Amino acid sequence: EIVLTQSPGTLSLSPGDRATLSCRTSQSVRSSNLAWYQQRPGQAPRLLIYETSIRATGIPDRFSGGGSGTDFTLTISRLEPEDFVVYYCQLYHTSPLGYTFGQGTKVEIK
Amino acid sequence: EVQLVQSGAEVKKPGESLRISCQASGYSFTSHWIHWVRQMPGKGLDWMGRIDPSDSYTNYNPSFQGHVTISADKSINTAYLQWSSLKASDTAMYYCTFTSGSYDYWGLGTQVIVSS
Repeated sequence: EIVLTQSPGTLSLSPGDRATLSCRTSQSVRSSNLAWYQQRPGQAPRLLIYETSIRATGIPDRFSGGGSGTDFTLTISRLEPEDFVVYYCQLYHTSPLGYTFGQGTKVEIK
Repeated sequence: EVQLVQSGAEVKKPGESLRISCQASGYSFTSHWIHWVRQMPGKGLDWMGRIDPSDSYTNYNPSFQGHVTISADKSINTAYLQWSSLKASDTAMYYCTFTSGSYDYWGLGTQVIVSS
């Protein structure tokens, strides 16, 4: 079973700062299987990035994803007030077949 | 417009059964897997399983296998998540969702509270 570990648990930054969120997998995975989601309070999650680096429809270009192997990152180039919420990475895996979410990173206002 | 409309909040007692629903509209229901995701109070996201509405083939997270059943009725474009015997630990928000390439769609969630 592949474990996803997101770090840090909480990231304290100011509007306009650059945010770098990490997602590490316990074994090497295919980049095509890694996605990032954003969840605002009281709302359903929404897809930000899929296949490690492709922005979902309607996602601003301040969001970018990268990485390979076991280390993946979500970068927010300049934090807007609405970006101070929770982010999850998600992996599609085949053994067992299914999906796993990381535990989440909360981006809070410093 | 694509919509996933979930059934309303439920308050149940331990041991009771429950079925919640997710009705799809605005797209071909049989073209995309429907997934169910749990979010316990103040916690993260747990993928529970998915169903192919075209043939009702399912995959489950081993952590949920045997405790929940995912089903679908393609004649009414509706997916279901059901329990035969609820536990207090099933208290959570449950979301249905599907992804189509660069789009994802989510229901608003169904709040389930299990309390004696």
